[in-house]
Amino acid sequence: AQSVTQLDSHVSVSEGTPVLLRCNYSSSYSPSLFWYVQHPNKGLQLLLKYTSAATLVKGINGFEAEFKKSETSFHLTKPSAHMSDAAEYFCVVSDGGTSYGKLTFGQGTILTVHP
Amino acid sequence: GAGVSQSPSNKVTEKGKDVELRCDPISGHTALYWYRQRLGQGLEFLIYFQGNSAPDKSGLPSDRFSAERTGESVSTLTIQRTQQEDSAVYLCASSPWTGSGYEQYFGPGTRLTVT
Repeated sequence: AQSVTQLDSHVSVSEGTPVLLRCNYSSSYSPSLFWYVQHPNKGLQLLLKYTSAATLVKGINGFEAEFKKSETSFHLTKPSAHMSDAAEYFCVVSDGGTSYGKLTFGQGTILTVHP
Repeated sequence: GAGVSQSPSNKVTEKGKDVELRCDPISGHTALYWYRQRLGQGLEFLIYFQGNSAPDKSGLPSDRFSAERTGESVSTLTIQRTQQEDSAVYLCASSPWTGSGYEQYFGPGTRLTVT
């Protein structure tokens, strides 16, 4: 079985300050982990993914995430927030327990960026 | 190239009516997935297609929900005798491969409102 917990439903930061969105996962197998972003009235877009290669993963728009097996975490970070980062972010796990990569989504974290 | 497309983008229907939602995956993508996103929640898996067969339909909420796919092309999700709790955004995704670790490409969704 696989599950994802996003620890914050809302995060608010000022433009230019660091962003931290927290995610913990549970998996019976070696997981693949993803972060997706959803801007208002737009589709889901992949930010980055971890698939058992380097534990520090770099994605688009300056985001990165670190896979920490001992902590079962996959937190998303960005050094300096931009107004355009305001969106909803989903942490997603696929644990290989099925042959087809079934995705399990977290509940989402809404990121607000203040000027 | 063209992404995943879904139609209609919005659908308002009366309780008890049937609705049909359409998904056109990216050409050549063998795997197709349907998800449901209720207001303020993450995505719930509904059904997975490999070609035109559905190895996993465990997420369909009730027997009022059904889906089919023509070859490796278009898929339709049908909801019979709609209820107000069916109101949600229905998202379709496709992937060129099956298995853990492969990115799923999402369509813009169909927003269904049952009055």
